[in-house]
Amino acid sequence: DGGITQSPKYLFRKEGQNVTLSCEQNLNHDAMYWYRQDPGQGLRLIYYSQIVNDFQKGDIAEGYSVSREKKESFPLTVTSAQKNPTAFYLCASSIWAYLSSNQPQHFGDGTRLSIL
Amino acid sequence: AQTVTQSQPEMSVQEAETVTLSCTYDTSENNYYLFWYKQPPSRQMILVIRQEAYKQQNATENRFSVNFQKAAKSFSLKISDSQLGDTAMYFCAFRTSGSRLTFGEGTQLTVNP
Repeated sequence: DGGITQSPKYLFRKEGQNVTLSCEQNLNHDAMYWYRQDPGQGLRLIYYSQIVNDFQKGDIAEGYSVSREKKESFPLTVTSAQKNPTAFYLCASSIWAYLSSNQPQHFGDGTRLSIL
Repeated sequence: AQTVTQSQPEMSVQEAETVTLSCTYDTSENNYYLFWYKQPPSRQMILVIRQEAYKQQNATENRFSVNFQKAAKSFSLKISDSQLGDTAMYFCAFRTSGSRLTFGEGTQLTVNP
C-alpha cells in the first residue's frame, strides 16, 4: 500500500544532541513537508520541499535542518540549537502544489520527541 | 499573509445529532482551495472534505458537508448523525495556487453517548 512512513514513533533527546527524524513516502509525490504540533495547538510548518535537492524554510525553521537527496525521503534533523524541541512532528507529502493545489496533503503517523 | 481562524477551541455534541464547526479565512486571491482535516486521538491526520473556491456547489462526503460562503470568507463543516468515532480535533486549512497549506488552530470535538 502507498503511504508515508515516519520513524521512530517515539524519540528522546539529550542536551546538546542532534537527532534525526525519518520520513519516507512511496506515493511518488514531488512535495514533502515537516510540521510541528504542540499540545492542543495547530500545525506549524518547519520546512518544505517541492523538488529533489531543493527546500524552503517554513515559519519555524530555526534549530532544524533538512535534506532532500531522494524524492522518497525528507529527513528532519533537530539540532541542539532548538531549545524547546519537545513536540509531535508530522511529515506530509503531496503532488506539486502549483499544478494541483486542490490535491490534499497525505500525512504520516508522526514522531513524538521528548527531552531526557 | 493568509490566515485561517477557527473561533471554537472546543465543542461537544450528542451522538446522532448535528454539529457545525466554523472556519474563516483571509486572502486577496480569487482562486484557492479549502480543506477540513480530522485528527483523532491516534494523532493521524485524515482528510475529511475539500472545496475549490471556483465551485459554487458545496462539497459533501457522506455525513460531512460544508457551507462555503465566498463573499464572507467562511467555510464551515457540518457533521450530521454524529458518531462516537467523530471525536477528534478538526483543522480547517487553506491553500492558493503555488502556496503552502495554512492551518487553523483547530476545534476539539467531543461526541457524547
